[in-house]
Parts: sequence; C-alpha cells; structure tokens
Amino acid sequence: NAGVTQTPKFRVLKTGQSMTLLCAQDMNHEYMYWYRQDPGMGLRLIHYSVGEGTTAKGEVPDGYNVSRLKKQNFLLGLESAAPSQTSVYFCASSSGLGGEQFFGPGTRLTVL
Amino acid sequence: AQSVTQLDSHVSVSEGTPVLLRCNYSSSYSPSLFWYVQHPNKGLQLLLKYTSAATLVKGINGFEAEFKKSETSFHLTKPSAHMSDAAEYFCVVSDRFSGGYNKLIFGAGTRLAVHP
Repeated sequence: NAGVTQTPKFRVLKTGQSMTLLCAQDMNHEYMYWYRQDPGMGLRLIHYSVGEGTTAKGEVPDGYNVSRLKKQNFLLGLESAAPSQTSVYFCASSSGLGGEQFFGPGTRLTVL
Repeated sequence: AQSVTQLDSHVSVSEGTPVLLRCNYSSSYSPSLFWYVQHPNKGLQLLLKYTSAATLVKGINGFEAEFKKSETSFHLTKPSAHMSDAAEYFCVVSDRFSGGYNKLIFGAGTRLAVHP
C-alpha cells in the first residue's frame, strides 16, 4: 500500500515550457487535491476533484489545468510555465469523510 | 470565512523541555481542526484532529491539543521534546464547500527547532 505517490520529485523548466505532474493514490479515495507550498504561506489549493471525470478550481487556479480520467490518478498541467510557478507541489486524497487528507511527498519545481 | 493564525513562525526548545505551538482560528460554525507535521523534504503527516468530540485530543508521538471555543484556540503541546520533533507544523481548519467536501485552510506554519 503505497498511499499517495507523485512523479517527478524534482523538475527544472524554462519560462514558457510545459509539463505535467502525476499523482496516484491506491486508497480508492473519491477526492483528490493539488496544492502549492510557498515559504511563509502554508499550502494553497490549486484545483480539486470530487470524483472520476470531475474537476473544480481552488484558491489559486490560474496558469494550471487538471484532469481526472481515472479514479486513482490526478494530473496537474502547466501549459506555459512562469517563474511565479516555482514552488513545491503537493497532491492529496481523501475519502471525503472527516476531512483528513493524505499527502504525497511533493514535487519541487523551479522555473527559470 | 474561516482562517487560521499560527502565532509563532519559529519556536526553539531544548531536548526534554515542553513544546507549545500556538494556533488561533476563526470560524462561523463548529469547525474541524487538525495539526499536520512536515519533516524536511517530506510530505505532510496528520498528527491529530478535533471533530467536536472530546476537547482534549491526543495524537501520535506524544502530542496533544486542546480545543478552547471561548478562546478560539487549538494549541499543540508535548511534555518533553525529542530531537526527532524538529519539523514544520501546520494548524489547519476545515471548511465545507458547497460541493460537499472538506476544504482545508492552512496556517502559515511554525518551524520547531530542538537543541541538545
């Protein structure tokens, strides 16, 4: 039981490049989330999904897109990366009951 | 709207002494509250959660927190710090979107340093 996994762990992009971050969970959770973590700001919600085939905007969605084609996977895309998107990205999942979310190990992204 | 304020950005203690990490919240209704811990270059791990049962909540690794509605506080404590407790700690309040799930609102974090 791996829990929540994220790929890749590290990535460096140039401004304007695109990439996709992959999140996978093996707990059969309905709900999945993408957060970004910046120094002194805690975690902020980018997008979330309440089930396969559904997505919704969170607190800071601009510049990101997501897809949930399979229940166990949640993809985060950056179509044209900007330096302001340099951050650590965390994926999480939950069963939707009690609010507890389980987090992946994070992806450290640097945009030059 | 709900919010969380962690009153100290950094706390430094000696090994074996008590730990107190302070958190105040703002909520228009009875909230769910959590403490998460993040060790360096790791993901977040749930320490404990309050969901309107007992006001004193016990978590993992000897941590506990007390929900005080009159003070809108949810401070995290541990009687005796261990070197392995050095990490960043996040106080979190749960909000409920109209979509029917619990959105988590994070405090800015408190970095705990433990000295020998």
